[in-house]
Amino acid sequence: DFQMTQSPSSLSASVGDRVTITCRASQGFNTYLAWYQLKPGKVPKLLIYDAYILQSGVPSRFSGSGSGTDFSLTISSLQPEDVATYYCHKYNSAPFTFGPGTKVDIK
Amino acid sequence: QLQLQESGPGLVKPSETPSLTCTVSGGSISRSHYYWGWIRQPPGKGLEWIGSIYYSGSAYYNPSLESRATISVDTSTNQFSLKLRSVTVADTALYYCARSRDMAIFPLDYWGQGTLVTVSS
Repeated sequence: DFQMTQSPSSLSASVGDRVTITCRASQGFNTYLAWYQLKPGKVPKLLIYDAYILQSGVPSRFSGSGSGTDFSLTISSLQPEDVATYYCHKYNSAPFTFGPGTKVDIK
Repeated sequence: QLQLQESGPGLVKPSETPSLTCTVSGGSISRSHYYWGWIRQPPGKGLEWIGSIYYSGSAYYNPSLESRATISVDTSTNQFSLKLRSVTVADTALYYCARSRDMAIFPLDYWGQGTLVTVSS
């Protein structure tokens, strides 16, 4: 079965820190990978698609990279409004799969 | 601006078949190439794709839920719906609707805020 993992499962960092979340797939696929930001009571937000393309309107401190089995989301300078849970998502073919999520907090 | 809004029964009993609806505003559900999907998130857990549908009625499902889920579309009301048969407490979750261009190779670019379905006797 295809599996996706994320690390770390949670992190706490200071405002202004550089934060990196990784997503690993059990089998390689192309770059049809997205990152979403989820906050309680808010509409989920698409941040990155095709592994590295920034969705329109998303701050440039967010960036994505990777291919094959290993992908990452980086926040170059963590801001208080970035407190959320982040999920990676494989969408090259159905069934679509999400990573288990990484909860980001401010220290 | 496209907006999606879920509605549902809130609290249901085990073995019931709740129906959830997603109302699309600011754009047509009949627009070519766009698929409309359901994703859920149990409390404290991650996201699970349930299935997606095209305005023509063609639907795709997660094999894990295919036997119990039915997604339908009503182009006259710009809505699509999810019915989940024989629910158990394990189906308690926040249910989101979302849009993607094509069935694959495009992400979920617009989401609703989610509707909580609690299964309890």
